[in-house]
Amino acid sequence: GENVEQHPSTLSVQEGDSAVIKCTYSDSASNYFPWYKQELGKRPQLIIDIRSNVGEKKDQRIAVTLNKTAKHFSLHITETQPEDSAVYFCAARRGYSTLTFGKGTMLLVSP
Amino acid sequence: DSGVTQTPKHLITATGQRVTLRCSPRSGDLSVYWYQQSLDQGLQFLIQYYNGEERAKGNILERFSAQQFPDLHSELNLSSLELGDSALYFCASSVAEGGNIQYFGAGTRLSVL
Repeated sequence: GENVEQHPSTLSVQEGDSAVIKCTYSDSASNYFPWYKQELGKRPQLIIDIRSNVGEKKDQRIAVTLNKTAKHFSLHITETQPEDSAVYFCAARRGYSTLTFGKGTMLLVSP
Repeated sequence: DSGVTQTPKHLITATGQRVTLRCSPRSGDLSVYWYQQSLDQGLQFLIQYYNGEERAKGNILERFSAQQFPDLHSELNLSSLELGDSALYFCASSVAEGGNIQYFGAGTRLSVL
């Protein structure tokens, strides 16, 4: 089955800096890669996703890049703000199978 | 609010007991997923139902079972509870069987004492 590795497990940045979280997947047939944000004590919420036919997708301060050859994808957050502090999960899916999640990255943005 | 409702929000019980967690998906969503989230673990997929039928199984223990009813709500039954079962249990729903976006409920926090 699919295996998703996520790094780093924790990431501390200063407000205004950029943050990058990386994930690798094992199944070369995976074609859908969402990112979820989970604030403390709350539910995971989808923040951005990308399909395998696209190399990059951007939504305001967040962007996701996908390298199918290397089987990795990354979340980029620019101009970080304290409210970006949360746990971020990447996931991968092949066809209509279920999502396989990474173990999460705790992002701490210091004012 | 995602539209996915989970009850109860908190559950405290003792080892050896049995509990039932309930999930109502978003209106129109046919697929329901159950996840377990422990402190040092990510979101561990347990099981998926689509329109009343089991579609996929993850790392679900034999002591755990689930079902989806004709009105599409789902229940996760946990029996012979152990201390290690203490976790946050999330339900998510999506429109289709392989629906891209999964909407998560607020979760049920289970504490086994």
